[in-house]
Amino acid sequence: DAKTTQPTSMDCAEGRAANLPCNHSTISGNEYVYWYRQIHSQGPQYIIHGLKNNETNEMASLIITEDRKSSTLILPHATLRDTAVYYCIVRVAYTGTASKLTFGTGTRLQVTL
Amino acid sequence: GAVVSQHPSRVICKSGTSVKIECRSLDFQATTMFWYRQFPKQSLMLMATSNEGSKATYEQGVEKDKFLINHASLTLSTLTVASAHPEDSSFYICSARDPLGSGANVLTFGAGSRLTVL
Repeated sequence: DAKTTQPTSMDCAEGRAANLPCNHSTISGNEYVYWYRQIHSQGPQYIIHGLKNNETNEMASLIITEDRKSSTLILPHATLRDTAVYYCIVRVAYTGTASKLTFGTGTRLQVTL
Repeated sequence: GAVVSQHPSRVICKSGTSVKIECRSLDFQATTMFWYRQFPKQSLMLMATSNEGSKATYEQGVEKDKFLINHASLTLSTLTVASAHPEDSSFYICSARDPLGSGANVLTFGAGSRLTVL
């Protein structure tokens, strides 16, 4: 699996957009970018994933650069409840049986008033 | 959406006792579940892959005689920490994939079980 690099921590003011970067310069052509987050003392939560096109859902947007070597997760209007550790994971999307996910250290996002 | 339930959410036990943690997929069937462990201020570490009807696959360095995994049905996997010791105190989290969900690597996680061994 391709290695990812994320900043250790970031701050964001409530109501502003939170832009979380992820570098994955060794990504392969068949690897997707997945984002999960973990709020303190809870299990991780899936946010979004993409291959090469930008993606948007009710939680966030995912912007992937044209060369696919980096991506940005955007929370358009961060709230205090978005304070969490955000994990960027690069993985081949197997069809059929589930594949294990390996978590790095992630980015600790602190949303403040 | 897919829901994974873990029980108990918290458990405190004496050193030397065994503790069982249950992981259930509530609205879908999971042939594969994953067990993770997380120490304070650290990331999640995959312990093992639980396979329905067959033996679990353990990650390197995880003692299979210490962390017993049983996946007897398509909706239930259990992790038993045998003869727990204080160093086994941790946050244990299970996950599973809804086969009808939106992607092969989209896992649903339980809320976790915090084990404290005195």
